[in-house]
Amino acid sequence: AQSVAQPEDQVNVAEGNPLTVKCTYSVSGNPYLFWYVQYPNRGLQFLLKYITGDNLVKGSYGFEAEFNKSQTSFHLKKPSALVSDSALYFCAVRDLSSNTGKLIFGQGTTLQVKP
Amino acid sequence: NAGVTQTPKFRVLKTGQSMTLLCAQDMNHEYMYWYRQDPGMGLRLIHYSVGEGTTAKGEVPDGYNVSRLKKQNFLLGLESAAPSQTSVYFCASSSPSRDGYEQYFGPGTRLTVT
Repeated sequence: AQSVAQPEDQVNVAEGNPLTVKCTYSVSGNPYLFWYVQYPNRGLQFLLKYITGDNLVKGSYGFEAEFNKSQTSFHLKKPSALVSDSALYFCAVRDLSSNTGKLIFGQGTTLQVKP
Repeated sequence: NAGVTQTPKFRVLKTGQSMTLLCAQDMNHEYMYWYRQDPGMGLRLIHYSVGEGTTAKGEVPDGYNVSRLKKQNFLLGLESAAPSQTSVYFCASSSPSRDGYEQYFGPGTRLTVT
């Protein structure tokens, strides 16, 4: 079965420090991978995606993610965290079992950046 | 370009009442989706549509119905609301041919059933 796992419910970092939010996936075939961010009382906003090409993907707000096929991971990273990065982050993978555009979402990781 | 909009933003229902949530997108997207978000459970797909006049069940379809009479609109109906349907509902749309399956989300509807 296809799935996405975000092993950490919450990640705490100090402002200015690097941050990593972890995501692992399980699909049969070449994965389409996504990261979304959700600020309080808002909808999900797209951050970045990997479909093919360079394993290091750059996205919005200074975020990047590294696709690692051997470890089936797609961790979200940022070199220097900001307090304003505090939010709920979702990793998602395209459902390859059908041509419906469906995404399978992880449970979400709350990022808390402290001043 | 408003993107994806949802109506209403908030609603309180009594058990057994019915309501319809409206989702509209102005990006000419073929695919549309309804999700519910509950604490600790991430996003769960309720129903989806791959084109005007077509709908299909997602992961948690029971108690909900949908319709897509126009390409730009996707309606989610609750015929007889139950407290278990208290949740935040999100609509999303995508155009795989243009955006590689990236989904665009609306701002959400917060529904409370008492």
